Amino acid sequence: ELKVEQNPLFLSMQEGKNYTIYCNYSTTSDRLYWYRQDPGKSLESLFVLLSNGAVKQEGRLMASLDTKARLSTLHITAAVHDLSATYFCAVVNAGKSTFGDGTTLTVKP
Amino acid sequence: NAGVTQTPKFRVLKTGQSMTLLCAQDMNHEYMYWYRQDPGMGLRLIHYSVGEGTTAKGEVPDGYNVSRLKKQNFLLGLESAAPSQTSVYFCASSALLGDTQYFGPGTRLTVL
Repeated sequence: ELKVEQNPLFLSMQEGKNYTIYCNYSTTSDRLYWYRQDPGKSLESLFVLLSNGAVKQEGRLMASLDTKARLSTLHITAAVHDLSATYFCAVVNAGKSTFGDGTTLTVKP
Repeated sequence: NAGVTQTPKFRVLKTGQSMTLLCAQDMNHEYMYWYRQDPGMGLRLIHYSVGEGTTAKGEVPDGYNVSRLKKQNFLLGLESAAPSQTSVYFCASSALLGDTQYFGPGTRLTVL
């Protein structure tokens, strides 16, 4: 059974600071997604990582994948309030997605 | 292009009542999914469909039934609601299995 662990589960940051969210998974994966969920809203896809060493960046967010370590990271650079949300990684194996429990990010001025 | 829509947005049931949640997508996607999201947890897959007329069990299927009579619609039924089914239910669709999933706005269900 595929297990996906995210840490931290809660993260409070000051604006302008950098931080990294980690996503570990237990078995081989076809691909890995990062999603964002705003409070009371639905999930929106941010990145898809398809192979070892893949790196995707958009704005202040950068995601990477190390398939050998079974680890993905979501790095936040110079956080701003608009990044406050819950971030989920989802690992795909045999076509099915298993979600982590999410990291709730709060960016404070 | 509405994407994925869900009906209703909110619902309160009494224990033992039944209801059906409707999901519709206009992207011509083959694959559709029903998830539940509980506080502090990620999404757990209830059932999914790989095409019109097909359904399959996910991680937490007990107490739920589904049907996919038309490609654009995926229905989730609760035959006899229980308080443990209080949750937010999300529908999603994707073009291919394992592809990016597009999510609906969610249905908040409370079972008293």
